[in-house]
Amino acid sequence: DVKVTQSSRYLVKRTGEKVFLECVQDMDHENMFWYRQDPGLGLRLIYFSYDVKMKEKGDIPEGYSVSREKKERFSLILESASTNQTSMYLCASSLASANVLTFGAGSRLTVL
Amino acid sequence: QQQVKQSPQSLIVQKGGISIINCAYENTAFDYFPWYQQFPGKGPALLIAIRPDVSEKKEGRFTISFNKSAKQFSLHIMDSQPGDSATYFCAASISSGSARQLTFGSGTQLTVLP
Repeated sequence: DVKVTQSSRYLVKRTGEKVFLECVQDMDHENMFWYRQDPGLGLRLIYFSYDVKMKEKGDIPEGYSVSREKKERFSLILESASTNQTSMYLCASSLASANVLTFGAGSRLTVL
Repeated sequence: QQQVKQSPQSLIVQKGGISIINCAYENTAFDYFPWYQQFPGKGPALLIAIRPDVSEKKEGRFTISFNKSAKQFSLHIMDSQPGDSATYFCAASISSGSARQLTFGSGTQLTVLP
């Protein structure tokens, strides 16, 4: 019954490496989001997409990029990972103009 | 930057007690206020939500109280149970044109002791 799937639950990368985080949803949702979760800071929006090939910056886009080539798939890219990008990354999706987000289980990234 | 301030950061309650988590917001354009519940190893999931034209919403043991003039809202968990132990996030939603955006609070880690 999984609806938002983040393929990598745990990743360990080295500083400077390129990192891809993949997210797939099977609910035909128009909107997809990438959040970062850090203790004491809550969830902060990195990027979101409201349609294929469309993207908008969230609150903390620096150091990240995204790709949405298909409606069901939204990728987060760290071009050159840094230690301050060690975090839990959460993908979410929603219907257009909907208030409710469905989250994936998260991808915990450690950058050494 | 739009903010939602949440307190306390952590909360320990005895089984059967009342858990109360508070949030405050600044932007009066927010028009939807959900609470999300997150268990370890899982993503957050919608628990309960309220619109600003309502002062209270109750679903089972969970109640949102909303004070529009004070720009504050709170989650009350009655008869708290060990299974309620989780991290709770308040949030506020606004339409940004292309999609609705949620701004989350910093989270409250609730522990209910048996």
